[in-house]
Amino acid sequence: DVKVTQSSRYLVKRTGEKVFLECVQDMDHENMFWYRQDPGLGLRLIYFSYDVKMKEKGDIPEGYSVSREKKERFSLILESASTNQTSMYLCASSPSSRGPGYTFGSGTRLTVV
Amino acid sequence: AQRVTQPEKLLSVFKGAPVELKCNYSYSGSPELFWYVQYSRQRLQLLLRHISRESIKGFTADLNKGETSFHLKKPFAQEEDSAMYYCALRVTGGGNKLTFGTGTQLKVEL
Repeated sequence: DVKVTQSSRYLVKRTGEKVFLECVQDMDHENMFWYRQDPGLGLRLIYFSYDVKMKEKGDIPEGYSVSREKKERFSLILESASTNQTSMYLCASSPSSRGPGYTFGSGTRLTVV
Repeated sequence: AQRVTQPEKLLSVFKGAPVELKCNYSYSGSPELFWYVQYSRQRLQLLLRHISRESIKGFTADLNKGETSFHLKKPFAQEEDSAMYYCALRVTGGGNKLTFGTGTQLKVEL
């Protein structure tokens, strides 16, 4: 029944490492999103994609990049991880029509040491 | 730019008491408002949207454009309502981007 899958539930990485967070959806959705979730700050949009090979910056894109080579997969890349990127990362998808909203993944808790 | 404000980080109520989670937004156009909920150790999920005008798990929310509010209400809180609640806004022409508030942790005490 799982529709949006994030490959890792917990990750621990070192400062300066290149980090890949993977997200796969099986609902044939056009739109995919990456948010980070921090206590007291809510969900903040990092990047989103409305089609294969298309990407748009969200509200906090600095230090991140994304890749969408296939419709079902949306990857978040931390080019050089820093301690202030320690957070919960949520992936979501939605159809292109303005329907009921997002389907979220279970999240990846990333700790950068 | 649009913004969603949830003024309470934590709301604690007793079982059976009424609940109101506040949400205010700033947007000059015609918005769509949503409430999402995250129960402990579960993924974030849609609770309700203003367009549907439905009641889910006893919760309702009415869009008040004059007050730019979309407060979530339930007449009698249950223990299983304890969760984190996020209000979210989708604007016209913004694709399917949602802007979320900072969230309110609801704790229902026995």
